[in-house]
Amino acid sequence: DAGVTQSPTHLIKTRGQQVTLRCSPKSGHDTVSWYQQALGQGPQFIFQYYEEEERQRGNFPDRFSGHQFPNYSSELNVNALLLGDSALYLCASSSGPTLGQPQHFGDGTRLSIL
Amino acid sequence: QKEVEQNSGPLSVPEGAIASLNCTYSDRGSQSFFWYRQYSGKSPELIMSIYSNGDKEDGRFTAQLNKASQYVSLLIRDSQPSDSATYLCAVMRDGGSQGNLIFGKGTKLSVKP
Repeated sequence: DAGVTQSPTHLIKTRGQQVTLRCSPKSGHDTVSWYQQALGQGPQFIFQYYEEEERQRGNFPDRFSGHQFPNYSSELNVNALLLGDSALYLCASSSGPTLGQPQHFGDGTRLSIL
Repeated sequence: QKEVEQNSGPLSVPEGAIASLNCTYSDRGSQSFFWYRQYSGKSPELIMSIYSNGDKEDGRFTAQLNKASQYVSLLIRDSQPSDSATYLCAVMRDGGSQGNLIFGKGTKLSVKP
């Protein structure tokens, strides 16, 4: 039973570039949430996708956008990269967007901006 | 006031002792509470969830919730060096579309052999 998978594991970009990160949820899960974790901090919620729609959004600018596909996989896109976007990007999946369902995390994508 | 607060540590305990990790939260509408363990350079791993007041035990782990005091804790009995990690407290506001997790900064636990 595959867990949450993310790709790529590492990325190095320069300021101003654009990046796309990918996530496949755990089998049986239909909801995908994205988080940004800076060094020494807890993960911060970016947004959540369910039924191919963005259901909730955290306090992140419009440079951060996403998509969910019919097979429940998801992408996170970040445009006009800034140095401050360097972080570990985590995808979490769950069964349904509410009712306190536990979220399970993938291994993350470590993004470095030069 | 931060939404979820934890002591950053490090919390150091000897092998075999009980480690006690604490977390407070500010939103009384919070309904679901989770503890994640994160090893250095790795992603968070869910170890406990708790939804109602009282204690919930799973192996060496016990989660405790007191909604009146807005307090949740994690006890680790018979601590092992492999328990050395950062423990993240996460809170979810249920109802409507509020399904995202709000995390504390984490408490770093070190278990000394």
